[in-house]
Amino acid sequence: QQQVKQSPQSLIVQKGGISIINCAYENTAFDYFPWYQQFPGKGPALLIAIRPDVSEKKEGRFTISFNKSAKQFSLHIMDSQPGDSATYFCAASMRWNAGNMLTFGGGTRLMVKP
Amino acid sequence: EAGVTQFPSHSVIEKGQTVTLRCDPISGHDNLYWYRRVMGKEIKFLLHFVKESKQDESGMPNNRFLAERTGGTYSTLKVQPAELEDSGVYFCASSQTPRGEAFFGQGTRLTVV
Repeated sequence: QQQVKQSPQSLIVQKGGISIINCAYENTAFDYFPWYQQFPGKGPALLIAIRPDVSEKKEGRFTISFNKSAKQFSLHIMDSQPGDSATYFCAASMRWNAGNMLTFGGGTRLMVKP
Repeated sequence: EAGVTQFPSHSVIEKGQTVTLRCDPISGHDNLYWYRRVMGKEIKFLLHFVKESKQDESGMPNNRFLAERTGGTYSTLKVQPAELEDSGVYFCASSQTPRGEAFFGQGTRLTVV
């Protein structure tokens, strides 16, 4: 049973558009929700993260929206650029108890067309 | 400062053979993690070392997998004997503290034929 479900699997967006990736989780004990960005041939790199006591976090063009009651969170990439083309993974962990034992979503391959 | 380094980048082996993957964490990082992504599915946790001790190995799939971290520095993950379903990308990550940011290596792509 997949504890973190991610959608869509792939996404094509025009340059300047908004990319939206959604994740849903099962385990209410999760208390840390990071997003990772992975370029071909590289490992996942932390992009942005949120805790469940916050409903939104913004860093530059990247925003996480968090809905605790619905057990959902999403990544919004504003003004998407071709350089944003990568695979994005949402993840969750019980950070206080289990640290970096991350449960990942299945990944979304984003392509931003020029 | 060097990041997390994994060797080899790619490995193709026959079913039944043995393969050893290596991970060099960031210097000073006591916490080391192994993950793998099989067949384009989600990245799954395998185990967590704190220095040379296994803190959590709940994600190890079976006893064909053996992870070691002698001396608390680099780690190896041995698969013996390898099966077709072991094919995938194996990632190593390290962090200074258990709750600190985890930095991932570039991964080892293992193909078992």
